[in-house]
Amino acid sequence: QVHLQQWGAGLLKPSETLSLTCAVYGGSFTDFYWSWIRQPPGKGLEWIGEILHTGDTNYNPSLKSRVSMSVETSKHQFSLRLTSVTAADTGVYYCARGGGKTFPDYWGQGALVTVSS
Amino acid sequence: EIVLTQSPGTLSLSPGEGATLSCRASQSLSGRYLAWYQQKPGQAPRLLIYDISSRATGIPDRFRGSGSGTDFTLSITRLEPEDFAVYYCQQYDISPRAFGQGTKVEIK
Repeated sequence: QVHLQQWGAGLLKPSETLSLTCAVYGGSFTDFYWSWIRQPPGKGLEWIGEILHTGDTNYNPSLKSRVSMSVETSKHQFSLRLTSVTAADTGVYYCARGGGKTFPDYWGQGALVTVSS
Repeated sequence: EIVLTQSPGTLSLSPGEGATLSCRASQSLSGRYLAWYQQKPGQAPRLLIYDISSRATGIPDRFRGSGSGTDFTLSITRLEPEDFAVYYCQQYDISPRAFGQGTKVEIK
């Protein structure tokens, strides 16, 4: 049974840095890419990027200048940082197992991040 | 970069009817790298279909995926009350691994 548990600050001011972490319980950590996906209120899903246990990453070009991902394999955790946030970054952020040539199959519960002054 | 366009935006149907959702890619996928997800309000997306036509674990056989190249379809036969939701397609062929904008299946 695979379970993803995510956490991080839920309220940010413009220009601050968003930071979220996702812990993986069950299954292999090294056999998969790990992804971040977000959803603005009332809108569709946006792929943010993915990371492998080696640290190899792929990012959405629309966010590439502000996003970074990291992984802590020994803890089965991976993290997302998004700098210089604005109100447009408000939404629910999901972590998920899958990426590369595989599909996200297990998802975290989602974390609502609100950017407001 | 591959862009996915879903149609229609909204489907208004009655329970028991069938639904056909379309997902069109801006360029041909190099393999069977297309998935479909169902999302209900306040919930994370749930994987329905992967590799164009393979049902995920526990997904009933009234959900069927098909297609190739640039044109893909999710068919739902005999809509059940729990099937009214938003459906997204996603390509995992090349980065960025884009999602379509979604199709809402609502009760008529």
